[in-house]
Amino acid sequence: DIQLTQSPSFLSASVGDRVTITCRASQGISSYLAWYQQMPGKAPKLLIYEASTLQSGVPSSFSGSGSGTEFTLTISSLQPEDFATYYCQQFNSYPLTFGGGTKVEIK
Amino acid sequence: EVQLVESGGGLVQPGGSLRLSCAASGFTFSDHYMDWVRQAPGKGLEWVARSRNKGNSYTTEHAASVKGRFTISRDDSKTSLHLQMNSLKTEDTAVYYCARAGALIGGGGPYYPDYWGQGTLVTVSS
Repeated sequence: DIQLTQSPSFLSASVGDRVTITCRASQGISSYLAWYQQMPGKAPKLLIYEASTLQSGVPSSFSGSGSGTEFTLTISSLQPEDFATYYCQQFNSYPLTFGGGTKVEIK
Repeated sequence: EVQLVESGGGLVQPGGSLRLSCAASGFTFSDHYMDWVRQAPGKGLEWVARSRNKGNSYTTEHAASVKGRFTISRDDSKTSLHLQMNSLKTEDTAVYYCARAGALIGGGGPYYPDYWGQGTLVTVSS
């Protein structure tokens, strides 16, 4: 199984900050990676797929990059509505594994 | 408007069975893969199972943690997805989400879950 390791697992930041979350795969997964945002008590929301393609309707403050084993999700200027938990998921092979999540909280 | 509505969750004793359903509307159900993903209380997301579409012969995949106990199925005529859960364990306690997965890139690329239901809670406890 492919393991995805997200870092950090917890992040404290202020409105307007630039935030970067990393997702490392235990083996190469090409660009077959998605990022999700999850608010408390809500379903996950797709932000990025194919490592760097922004899902329709997602603000351009979100961006993704990477390929192979190292990927990043960047929020260029953190907004109040961005405080949430973020997950990566790989689609290179089954089982379709998730990273452990990164909780972004208000400093 | 795409809608996914899960049902069938509840309290069940260890060793029991439960059948979850996901009613889909607002899109061509037969074109899409469908997933079940779960989230134990206070924990992260765990992929459970996938049903491929008609064009891919409705083949399925299951996570090792549920293989042999859970079965994903779909009824395109009723635009519904199901998860039959047998031999339930306390560690199966979670919110179960169904998700639509689309060929967002095309050209034989992966199917990415782009719409999710609100989830149904399954509690396995004596």
